[in-house]
Amino acid sequence: QKEVEQNSGPLSVPEGAIASLNCTYSDRGSQSFFWYRQYSGKSPELIMFIYSNGDKEDGRFTAQLNKASQYVSLLIRDSQPSDSATYLCAVKGGSNYKLTFGKGTLLTVNP
Amino acid sequence: DTAVSQTPKYLVTQMGNDKSIKCEQNLGHDTMYWYKQDSKKFLKIMFSYNNKELIINETVPNRFSPKSPDKAHLNLHINSLELGDSAVYFCASSLGQVTTNEKLFFGSGTQLSVL
Repeated sequence: QKEVEQNSGPLSVPEGAIASLNCTYSDRGSQSFFWYRQYSGKSPELIMFIYSNGDKEDGRFTAQLNKASQYVSLLIRDSQPSDSATYLCAVKGGSNYKLTFGKGTLLTVNP
Repeated sequence: DTAVSQTPKYLVTQMGNDKSIKCEQNLGHDTMYWYKQDSKKFLKIMFSYNNKELIINETVPNRFSPKSPDKAHLNLHINSLELGDSAVYFCASSLGQVTTNEKLFFGSGTQLSVL
């Protein structure tokens, strides 16, 4: 069973729309959850983290966490072409210091 | 000014060769990592050091050997390179051992191509 799974891409949305990226994880003891953005040919960069159930908003980005369902999502409102990138979900395990990444979802925002 | 720097950026080599990738961070962080990203973008942890001590050692062939001479440096040596080793290798650092909201700072990556 894969530890961190993300919705298969690629995901294509028109400019101005809401992009929804989803992630599920298998370790019930997981403590914290991260979304990294990776532009093509570049290194990943952190855009959001969340560790409490509910929503966390930062500008156009909202992270949502539901620990009972072992589900975390990232919503991008008013999507821009500059948001086009691969989004990586990462989960910190409950019993070790390891940060496990999902395979990523490629998002394309069309002008 | 670069926070996490790794060299070289590109590495093209023949099968069977031995090569090293170097990483340095100037952030004063205690923890450093090596990640491997394959052609499908899957980012997988290989090793982690906290203040020069190995704390994560994933199932990686023993041809891969990390070395941390001090907490600001983490190098990766690869013996007898194989075709399957071709990938992008990212060095990263964090202030501590990835606690609740610990942020990873990544280097720019080393694209390794084994021919």
